[in-house]
Amino acid sequence: AQKITQTQPGMFVQEKEAVTLDCTYDTSDQSYGLFWYKQPSSGEMIFLIYQGSYDEQNATEGRYSLNFQKARKSANLVISASQLGDSAMYFCAMSPGRGDTGRRALTFGSGTRLQVQP
Amino acid sequence: DTGVSQDPRHKITKRGQNVTFRCDPISEHNRLYWYRQTLGQGPEFLTYFQNEAQLEKSRLLSDRFSAERPKGSFSTLEIQRTEQGDSAMYLCASSVTRGPNSPLHFGNGTRLTVT
Repeated sequence: AQKITQTQPGMFVQEKEAVTLDCTYDTSDQSYGLFWYKQPSSGEMIFLIYQGSYDEQNATEGRYSLNFQKARKSANLVISASQLGDSAMYFCAMSPGRGDTGRRALTFGSGTRLQVQP
Repeated sequence: DTGVSQDPRHKITKRGQNVTFRCDPISEHNRLYWYRQTLGQGPEFLTYFQNEAQLEKSRLLSDRFSAERPKGSFSTLEIQRTEQGDSAMYLCASSVTRGPNSPLHFGNGTRLTVT
C-alpha cells in the first residue's frame, strides 16, 4: 500500500519569498510517480509538477521545483518568488508505475494550506 | 479544451434520497476517475473507467454507490439512500493514455450536503 504524509497543515510565507512544502511517502513499489496539485478555494485541483522515481534530475516547472530525495522518501515542493495567487491548498500524491496515472489511482496526502502575505 | 465539467456544483438532499452527479471529461480523454474529498482531507479514490469499462473500484464504493460511463464519454455517479456521512465534495478527473506526463485533469467538483 502507498501512503503520503504531509506534516504541515498550514504555512505562511511573505510575498516574493520562497517556501518549501514537505511531503514524505511510503511504498514498496520499485517505480512510482510523484505529483503536486494545487487546490484554490474554487475547488479545482490543478496539476503543478511531476517526478518519476527513476528520474535522476529534480523536476522543475516555472516557479515550482520538486526536491526529490529518494533515499529519504521525500518529495518536497519548492515555490520560488511567492505570489498572492499562490494561496491555496497543496496536495502531494503518488501513483504506482512509472507515472502512468491511468492504471492505478493516485494516493493523496492530507494537504498543506499555504497563505501568502503581502 | 474546455476542461472537465461537473454538474451540479452543489446538491443538498435529505437523508434517504437518491442523488446523481454528472461528469463530462475533456473530449479526447479516454480515462475517467471519481474521487471523494471531505473537509481537510485529500481526495480519496472511488472508481476509474477506461473508455466505457469500469476497471477499478475502491472499497469505499459501497453498494449504494454506482458509476457508469455508457458510451465512453460522460459519466454519472449515483448514490442511493444517502446518509449524512456521504456529505463531501465529489471530484471527477480525466486523462489520456500516454506517458509519464499525463496528469489527471480535475473538474470543480460537486459538493453534496445530506441533511
